[in-house]
Amino acid sequence: DIQLTQSPSFLSASVGDRVTITCRASQGMSSYLAWYQQKPGKAPKLLIYAASTLQSGVPSRFSGSGSGTEFTLTISSLQPEDFATYYCQQLNSYPITFGQGTRLEIK
Amino acid sequence: EVQLVESGGGLVQPGGSLRLSCAASGFTFSDHSMDWVRQAPGKGLEWVGRNRNKANSYTTEYAASVKGRFTISRDDSKNSLYLQMNSLKTEDTAVYYCTRGSLSSGWRSFDYWGQGTLATVSS
Repeated sequence: DIQLTQSPSFLSASVGDRVTITCRASQGMSSYLAWYQQKPGKAPKLLIYAASTLQSGVPSRFSGSGSGTEFTLTISSLQPEDFATYYCQQLNSYPITFGQGTRLEIK
Repeated sequence: EVQLVESGGGLVQPGGSLRLSCAASGFTFSDHSMDWVRQAPGKGLEWVGRNRNKANSYTTEYAASVKGRFTISRDDSKNSLYLQMNSLKTEDTAVYYCTRGSLSSGWRSFDYWGQGTLATVSS
């Protein structure tokens, strides 16, 4: 199984900040990595797929990059609505797995 | 508008069974693979399993934690996905989400999610 480890697990930042979340895979994989945003009491929302492709309707301040075992999600300028929990997900092989999540809170 | 609406959650005793349903609308259901994802209270996301589309013979995949106990099926004529859960354990307590495999990503992401239904396994 491919295990995904996100860092940090918790992040405190201010509106306007640039933030980066890292997702490390336990073994090398193709770029079948997705990122999701989840707000309390809501279903997750797809942000990025194929490591760097922005899902339709997602603001361009979100971007993804990476390959092999290290992938990143960057938010270029935090907005109030971006404070949420973020998950990476690998769909390179079964079982599909998620990272443990990164909680992004307002400083 | 794409909609996924789960139902069937509730309270069940350990060892019992529960059948969740997901009613899909706003897209051609038969074209898409569909997955179930769960989230235990206060915890992260866990993939449960996948049901591929007709073109891929409706084959299924499961997480090890549910294999042999859970069965995913679909009825394309009713635009519905199902999760039959047997031999339930307390650790199966979670919100269960129905998700759609994204055609544009070759099923390599989940582009729509339902609102979730809570299944509670407790005596």
